[in-house]
Amino acid sequence: GENVEQHPSTLSVQEGDSAVIKCTYSDSASNYFPWYKQELGKRPQLIIDIRSNVGEKKDQRIAVTLNKTAKHFSLHITETQPEDSAVYFCAASRGGTSYGKLTFGQGTILTVHP
Amino acid sequence: EAGVAQSPRYKIIEKRQSVAFWCNPISGHATLYWYQQILGQGPKLLIQFQNNGVVDDSQLPKDRFSAERLKGVDSTLKIQPAKLEDSAVYLCASSSPAVYNEQFFGPGTRLTVL
Repeated sequence: GENVEQHPSTLSVQEGDSAVIKCTYSDSASNYFPWYKQELGKRPQLIIDIRSNVGEKKDQRIAVTLNKTAKHFSLHITETQPEDSAVYFCAASRGGTSYGKLTFGQGTILTVHP
Repeated sequence: EAGVAQSPRYKIIEKRQSVAFWCNPISGHATLYWYQQILGQGPKLLIQFQNNGVVDDSQLPKDRFSAERLKGVDSTLKIQPAKLEDSAVYLCASSSPAVYNEQFFGPGTRLTVL
């Protein structure tokens, strides 16, 4: 089955700096890669996703890059703010008629210091 | 649109007792997922339904866990008997073909087994 590895497990940055979180996956058939943000005690919320026919996607301060050959994808947050502090999860899935179960990484605790 | 609803939000039980969780997905979402999220880890899929049929239950501990989605809408996840290691947040999510693969999560049920 799919295996997703996520690094680093914790990340501490100063407000205004950039943050990068990296994930690798094992299943070459995976074609959908979402990133979720989970604040303490709350539900995971989708912040950005990318499909395998795209190499990069950007939404304001957040961007995701995908390297299918190397089977890794990364989340980039620029101009970080204290409200970006949360746990971030990457995930991978196949598409298809089953709509693809998500396999999650272990999570990265991001702390943005004012 | 209304989000995914779950109840109860919190449950504390003794080991060997039974417990049930309820989920109401977003209206019209044919696919429903139950995830287990142990503290400090990413969510792990327990079972996936497509309408009222099971698509994937490969990671469901079937000796103690069961789930059903009889009318293709609401779903119930049961644990009987509970073990200490079942302490976790149980997340329900749903998705629609119209929003390919994007899964919307409920608030979760935090289970503590003493």
